[in-house]
Amino acid sequence: DAGVIQSPRHEVTEMGQEVTLRCKPISGHNSLFWYRQTMMRGLELLIYFNNNVPIDDSGMPEDRFSAKMPNASFSTLKIQPSEPRDSAVYFCASTQGLAATDTQYFGPGTRLTVL
Amino acid sequence: AQSVTQLGSHVSVSEGALVLLRCNYSSSVPPYLFWYVQYPNQGLQLLLKYTSAATLVKGINGFEAEFKKSETSFHLTKPSAHMSDAAEYFCAVIKTGANNLFFGTGTRLTVIP
Repeated sequence: DAGVIQSPRHEVTEMGQEVTLRCKPISGHNSLFWYRQTMMRGLELLIYFNNNVPIDDSGMPEDRFSAKMPNASFSTLKIQPSEPRDSAVYFCASTQGLAATDTQYFGPGTRLTVL
Repeated sequence: AQSVTQLGSHVSVSEGALVLLRCNYSSSVPPYLFWYVQYPNQGLQLLLKYTSAATLVKGINGFEAEFKKSETSFHLTKPSAHMSDAAEYFCAVIKTGANNLFFGTGTRLTVIP
């Protein structure tokens, strides 16, 4: 079975440009999470969805960040305009449900560099 | 509030030696605790999780962890380190009232031949 798929794996862009990160969760999983990993802040949750509905977006850093999940098999994280401090690795994870004990399966991440 | 603290950002062990990675949690209620591993340039992979059942939890790749309420600890151990264990390890806890993982700062394990 395919795991969580993220694209692109690497993205280099210039400050001010729009960046869109994509995620395809594992088929049959109902919950999807977006995380950001930086040296300074470690791993932090940005937002998560259940049945395509955003449940908690309190981790989204500011209005420049937005996330959507138009259907059960696709989600996007958009940054507009991008800034150098957005440089990080962005992970997507999915679970079958929302039970606290459900295992989160992570994608390989997108490494974003904003120049 | 729930959180985890990982003691030691870097740990080095010799191949064949015991691996001990420390994690302490703070929680007002019994938490759910997790250990994840991250190999270079890869996503995180679940090693094991504690969900209020047995206090000694066995995971993949020979790792295990013991939940000790009296010490508020959930340390990760492996009797004999392999070179392939070199990676970064994250302890995590489920945040009260939510379903998202709250991660520790990570411990990078180096295995010396």
